[in-house]
Amino acid sequence: DARVTQTPRHKVTEMGQEVTMRCQPILGHNTVFWYRQTMMQGLELLAYFRNRAPLDDSGMPKDRFSAEMPDATLATLKIQPSEPRDSAVYFCASVRASGFQETQYFGPGTRLLVL
Amino acid sequence: AQSVTQLGSHVSVSEGALVLLRCNYSSSVPPYLFWYVQYPNQGLQLLLKYTTGATLVKGINGFEAEFKKSETSFHLTKPSAHMSDAAEYFCAVSDRQHHPSGSRLTFGEGTQLTVNP
Repeated sequence: DARVTQTPRHKVTEMGQEVTMRCQPILGHNTVFWYRQTMMQGLELLAYFRNRAPLDDSGMPKDRFSAEMPDATLATLKIQPSEPRDSAVYFCASVRASGFQETQYFGPGTRLLVL
Repeated sequence: AQSVTQLGSHVSVSEGALVLLRCNYSSSVPPYLFWYVQYPNQGLQLLLKYTTGATLVKGINGFEAEFKKSETSFHLTKPSAHMSDAAEYFCAVSDRQHHPSGSRLTFGEGTQLTVNP
């Protein structure tokens, strides 16, 4: 049963610390999305990649957030330095984009709390 | 630009009653539309999607949705609610205008469904 995995599932850190979240997309999926979910803002798209290249990261605060895909099996989202307002659930989703409307498959999320 | 509006952030129904979750969209091109469900402490899971063809789409867990172009709507229904349907539901539209190869979605703000015994 193929699924998107995310680590860690939970993270508590102090303000100013670096946070790294990891995502393993479903094998064969060539597009990866990073979302952030909060009560106030709902579900926001932060960035997404196709074939490991960033297509759009306009939803991401550039000064502290960075997203990469070192290889086809790993996507990372880093926050440095972290702030309390970054507390949220971060989801990764992957899809096999083929020119048709394929389904996005979501991971279970990383629940981040910045104190 | 594409957008989605979900009417009602909270909907409460009794077990066995009809579920109706409303979604209206805005799109300058023929839309692809989706409903996702999120159970507590989990990621989003696809319920159903409309791309082309039949306007009444059936999904998992007994849900269905009808695409109505004249009303720019894609409401989600289920004839009889079950306790296990309690979750948050998201309507989404594909941003085909700016991303014609598909995949990128714009989500609504979500509707929390409560099912009372």
